[in-house]
Amino acid sequence: NAGVMQNPRHLVRRRGQEARLRCSPMKGHSHVYWYRQLPEEGLKFMVYLQKENIIDESGMPKERFSAEFPKEGPSILRIQQVVRGDSAAYFCASSPPPEGNIQYFGAGTRLSVL
Amino acid sequence: EDQVTQSPEALRLQEGESSSLNCSYTVSGLRGLFWYRQDPGKGPEFLFTLYSAGEEKEKERLKATLTKKESFLHITAPKPEDSATYLCAAETGNNRLAFGKGNQVVVIP
Repeated sequence: NAGVMQNPRHLVRRRGQEARLRCSPMKGHSHVYWYRQLPEEGLKFMVYLQKENIIDESGMPKERFSAEFPKEGPSILRIQQVVRGDSAAYFCASSPPPEGNIQYFGAGTRLSVL
Repeated sequence: EDQVTQSPEALRLQEGESSSLNCSYTVSGLRGLFWYRQDPGKGPEFLFTLYSAGEEKEKERLKATLTKKESFLHITAPKPEDSATYLCAAETGNNRLAFGKGNQVVVIP
């Protein structure tokens, strides 16, 4: 059973470009979470999604960031018009239903903005 | 605001020298307390979940305990392969995990 798959592992963008980060949850998991880890900081919750629904986006910046988890395919975290401050490691986690289960993490995508 | 604080930030241990890591939390409505291990360049790897004060869980040289305000991760007779950053997280509403900054542990042979 493959774990949570994230790609790409490393992503370099210039200021103003768009970044798309993908996450395929573990088989049988229908809940997906995105977290951001800034240098010298702990992981910060961004958004919690179930298939075709955003359950909690209270940690998501109000502008430029969006997330989706379509009926088919991976979850996508999209950052428009990236700025240097967006440079971080972005981790995806998944858990099986019902709520309250263990979240299993992917290896992360390291975004560098030049 | 939910807060999770881990101490010490960094710890160097001789192989075989037991120690404890502390995680104190201030959250409204704790649903669970999680410990993860993170190696450089990798994602967090699940270790334990604790749900109620007094609960303890063990895995190899690691033992996690929980009180009403804090959790401890005890490392007994550590080996170099136990070197990692240990992350504590409190589950709050809507499955959100609030993480501490981690305890960076280095075990010297």
